[in-house]
Amino acid sequence: DGGITQSPKYLFRKEGQNVTLSCEQNLNHDAMYWYRQDPGQGLRLIYYSQIVNDFQKGDIAEGYSVSREKKESFPLTVTSAQKNPTAFYLCASSRGQGLNTGELFFGEGSRLTVL
Amino acid sequence: LAKTTQPISMDSYEGQEVNITCSHNNIATNDYITWYQQFPSQGPRFIIQGYKTKVTNEVASLFIPADRKSSTLSLPRVSLSDTAVYYCLQGQLTGGGNKLTFGTGTQLKVEL
Repeated sequence: DGGITQSPKYLFRKEGQNVTLSCEQNLNHDAMYWYRQDPGQGLRLIYYSQIVNDFQKGDIAEGYSVSREKKESFPLTVTSAQKNPTAFYLCASSRGQGLNTGELFFGEGSRLTVL
Repeated sequence: LAKTTQPISMDSYEGQEVNITCSHNNIATNDYITWYQQFPSQGPRFIIQGYKTKVTNEVASLFIPADRKSSTLSLPRVSLSDTAVYYCLQGQLTGGGNKLTFGTGTQLKVEL
């Protein structure tokens, strides 16, 4: 079945460690997105990518990095520079055609806890 | 900067119609408005999208007035399972793609 797969679902990290969250889609979508959600809060955009080898900072990119080497993959690295990384991370994709991007498809999320 | 404003919370009872309004005063000419539903610990789920006037699908209606500075999501005859957070989403086309920013969302609570 087509969809978005995020892994791992749960992740624990010690302070000072980098960690990479995986996001893979087989929907042949051009655009991919990473959002962060804190308890009781809305989704905040970290990074987004329209095409391979290109990505843009969202509203809270500091302390995060991404790559888009393949159309189907958009991994997010949470670096040690991110001061408060404990959160729920959601990856999404859309066909990405201009402003009418259609439906955003989300993965099941990755919950990161810093010990 | 694309920014949307919604009520923080709303309460309703089963069987009632619920209308949630989103304000998007700086919407650009070509922006679309999309609404999503989110349950705890899950990714948001698409409900409906529109550009102007009225759009209806099997679960909701979306009303967008002529000036397009607001939109109203209408949920007919809500049930307990409609208790969730509802987000309106506005896109902002940048050189690197469509920057899709969620608002703070509206927590809808449906009771018996």
